[in-house]
Amino acid sequence: EPEVTQTPSHQVTQMGQEVILRCVPISNHLYFYWYRQILGQKVEFLVSFYNNEISEKSEIFDDQFSVERPDGSNFTLKIRSTKLEDSAMYFCASSDRGSGYTFGSGTRLTVV
Amino acid sequence: SQQGEEDPQALSIQEGENATMNCSYKTSINNLQWYRQNSGRGLVHLILIRSNEREKHSGRLRVTLDTSKKSSSLLITASRAADTASYFCATHRGGYNNNDMRFGAGTRLTVKP
Repeated sequence: EPEVTQTPSHQVTQMGQEVILRCVPISNHLYFYWYRQILGQKVEFLVSFYNNEISEKSEIFDDQFSVERPDGSNFTLKIRSTKLEDSAMYFCASSDRGSGYTFGSGTRLTVV
Repeated sequence: SQQGEEDPQALSIQEGENATMNCSYKTSINNLQWYRQNSGRGLVHLILIRSNEREKHSGRLRVTLDTSKKSSSLLITASRAADTASYFCATHRGGYNNNDMRFGAGTRLTVKP
């Protein structure tokens, strides 16, 4: 069964450093998403991406965040200058229109 | 807010019993989806019910949707210890610019052997 792949599974970074979280969505899906989940809390929407541009973003997705689909298969989330409160699980997902989402297994980001 | 809100927040039952979790939301939706998350792991898609559907089954799962009350329920029949997980409903508005999904806070289900 097709799956969404995320790397790395765990990333530890110093506060103020830039991190790039990587995702390989399902190849024939059209929509891509990033969500995050702070430990013990709800899953929060960050951004959706369609047709090579951001289609919607939440208030969490400020200027420190950016997304890119650099080569037609990867979908990346960049955090420019990490803060302690950015520590969370980050989930990538992809979907076709009107279908359920397929989530990756997540990247645990720890900012120290 | 579009987000679903589940209740109860936590549910503890014995193996073999049925588990019912509810979800309410505030805006109109295209579909509603239920996901499962084992502790510290990823989200697994369980079932999707569209706004024009009232009930859907998948194995031991039964989902209902009442759009007039903006609510949904997830029933797991004959529960097993392996069903222990958090269950989230997520609402989906659909459309070109509204293709994201918003999650509720989840119900933590514990099934005791």
